[in-house]
Amino acid sequence: ILNVEQSPQSLHVQEGDSTNFTCSFPSSNFYALHWYRWETAKSPEALFVMTLNGDEKKKGRISATLNTKEGYSYLYIKGSQPEDSATYLCASNNNAGNMLTFGGGTRLMVKP
Amino acid sequence: DGGITQSPKYLFRKEGQNVTLSCEQNLNHDAMYWYRQDPGQGLRLIYYSQIVNDFQKGDIAEGYSVSREKKESFPLTVTSAQKNPTAFYLCASSTGHLNTEAFFGQGTRLTVV
Repeated sequence: ILNVEQSPQSLHVQEGDSTNFTCSFPSSNFYALHWYRWETAKSPEALFVMTLNGDEKKKGRISATLNTKEGYSYLYIKGSQPEDSATYLCASNNNAGNMLTFGGGTRLMVKP
Repeated sequence: DGGITQSPKYLFRKEGQNVTLSCEQNLNHDAMYWYRQDPGQGLRLIYYSQIVNDFQKGDIAEGYSVSREKKESFPLTVTSAQKNPTAFYLCASSTGHLNTEAFFGQGTRLTVV
């Protein structure tokens, strides 16, 4: 069983604040790291899939970095908006099998 | 519209009964997955299937069974052997390549009464 951990578990920020959270995962046999956004009453939706050490990806105000050697990824949100409120999930898979192992998620609440 | 559909959205079951949760996708995906979420926890993998007529146990398969007779469908049966079946169940699908995203259904909330 892969051990994927996310911190913090929850986060309250004010509209306009920038924020970031962490995903740590086993670095051995690493293949890919996924980030998903899960809004209440909706399905989780993919933000990024990252495979290369040092990779950085960006989608609007959201960006992510990946360090496969030390086994962590950061998700950044610049200028948080109330519509960014959601649970952010990361998931890792290794090349031992086609299984995505999820972390516990970070629940972000942005106050207007 | 391509997507993945789970039904029903809410399900109530009497203790000791088996119940089957439906998951259908029209994305032509080879791989399908079932996850369970409990309050305050992340998604835990129950079963996954990489191709028709084949499936593998995930981390918490005990008390569950699946079938994959058609590419589009991956039903999950929660049996009476599952000690704590009340949870939120999510189905997902992907192309099967490790670096491609998974697509999720909207989930089924199962309550044992």
